[in-house]
Amino acid sequence: EAGVAQSPRYKIIEKRQSVAFWCNPISGHATLYWYQQILGQGPKLLIQFQNNGVVDDSQLPKDRFSAERLKGVDSTLKIQPAKLEDSAVYLCASSLEGYSSGGRETQYFGPGTRLLVL
Amino acid sequence: QKEVEQNSGPLSVPEGAIASLNCTYSDRGSQSFFWYRQYSGKSPELIMFIYSNGDKEDGRFTAQLNKASQYVSLLIRDSQPSDSATYLCAVDSNYQLIWGAGTKLIIKP
Repeated sequence: EAGVAQSPRYKIIEKRQSVAFWCNPISGHATLYWYQQILGQGPKLLIQFQNNGVVDDSQLPKDRFSAERLKGVDSTLKIQPAKLEDSAVYLCASSLEGYSSGGRETQYFGPGTRLLVL
Repeated sequence: QKEVEQNSGPLSVPEGAIASLNCTYSDRGSQSFFWYRQYSGKSPELIMFIYSNGDKEDGRFTAQLNKASQYVSLLIRDSQPSDSATYLCAVDSNYQLIWGAGTKLIIKP
């Protein structure tokens, strides 16, 4: 079974530029998560999709971050414009049922995208 | 905001000894508890989960849960250098997982 795919793996940009990350979850997984992980910290949930609907985006900085999951499969996370403090690893994860299970199931992570904003 | 607390470490343990990692959580309604391992530069991977009070064993790993004390731990027996990593505790709360900052474990040969 293929795992969660993410691209690109690394990205270096100047502040105020824009960047986009792509994620393809495990086939059949209804729930997709985008996390931000700053060095030395645990993952911070940015947005959670159940199929193609948003379940939770309370910690997404909506003035600069946006995300979509068209057709309930793959997803794109965009940052525009980027700030220095956005330097982090952006992790995508998926789970089989997610919200329907009360969030009480295993999440499977992709390899992550390491972003450096200069 | 519900919280999950872990000692950041590093926790240094001799090879072959038992490593004990601890986690406390604030949401009394939490029912699912996960331990993930994260190697440097890699993404988190599940080690084990526990739902019921008591112990759950899987090979060299044992998870222990005490809901009354809001405490979950991970024991690693016969620690190996390959166990050196950051261990993340995650707890369900309000339809999502809340993550601790992780404990860095170093196994000394």
